[in-house]
Amino acid sequence: DAGVIQSPRHEVTEMGQEVTLRCKPISGHNSLFWYRQTMMRGLELLIYFNNNVPIDDSGMPEDRFSAKMPNASFSTLKIQPSEPRDSAVYFCASSRTGGHQPQHFGDGTRLSIL
Amino acid sequence: AQSVTQPDIHITVSEGASLELRCNYSYGATPYLFWYVQSPGQGLQLLLKYFSGDTLVQGIKGFEAEFKRSQSSFNLRKPSVHWSDAAEYFCAVGDPRGGGNKLTFGTGTQLKVEL
Repeated sequence: DAGVIQSPRHEVTEMGQEVTLRCKPISGHNSLFWYRQTMMRGLELLIYFNNNVPIDDSGMPEDRFSAKMPNASFSTLKIQPSEPRDSAVYFCASSRTGGHQPQHFGDGTRLSIL
Repeated sequence: AQSVTQPDIHITVSEGASLELRCNYSYGATPYLFWYVQSPGQGLQLLLKYFSGDTLVQGIKGFEAEFKRSQSSFNLRKPSVHWSDAAEYFCAVGDPRGGGNKLTFGTGTQLKVEL
């Protein structure tokens, strides 16, 4: 079975540029999560969706960050404009509905903002 | 709100030795409990989970964890560590009282295995 697919795996861009990260969840999973991982702050939940609807975006750091889930099989996380402090590994995860259901993680996008 | 503490940032063990990674949580009832492992350059992989029933749960790769309500702990164990177990390990809790699928992760324990 295909797991969570994220693209690109690596992104290097200059500050001020728009960055779009993409995620394809596992088929049949109705919850989708975006995380950011850094050495300083560890793993942070940015936003999560249930049935394509954003439920909790309290972890989104600033208005420069936005996330969408136009359908059950695709989500994007956009940063505009990007800043060097946004450099991190961004993970997407998906799960079936239900708090006891585990989250399945993609391999992440390593983002470097110069 | 629930919280998770992994008191050990780094642990080094010799190959073949036993391992115990500590996890303590703060929550008013029994939360959903998970252990994940992250190898370099990869995402988190589920090792095991607990939400009810037998307090000793078995996971993949020979790992097990025991839920102890009296100690608010969910420690991860392995009787004999292999060099390939070197990775970072995360404990996570979920809220059964309507928190949806949202998880709170600990800060992780980096495991180093000496040959």
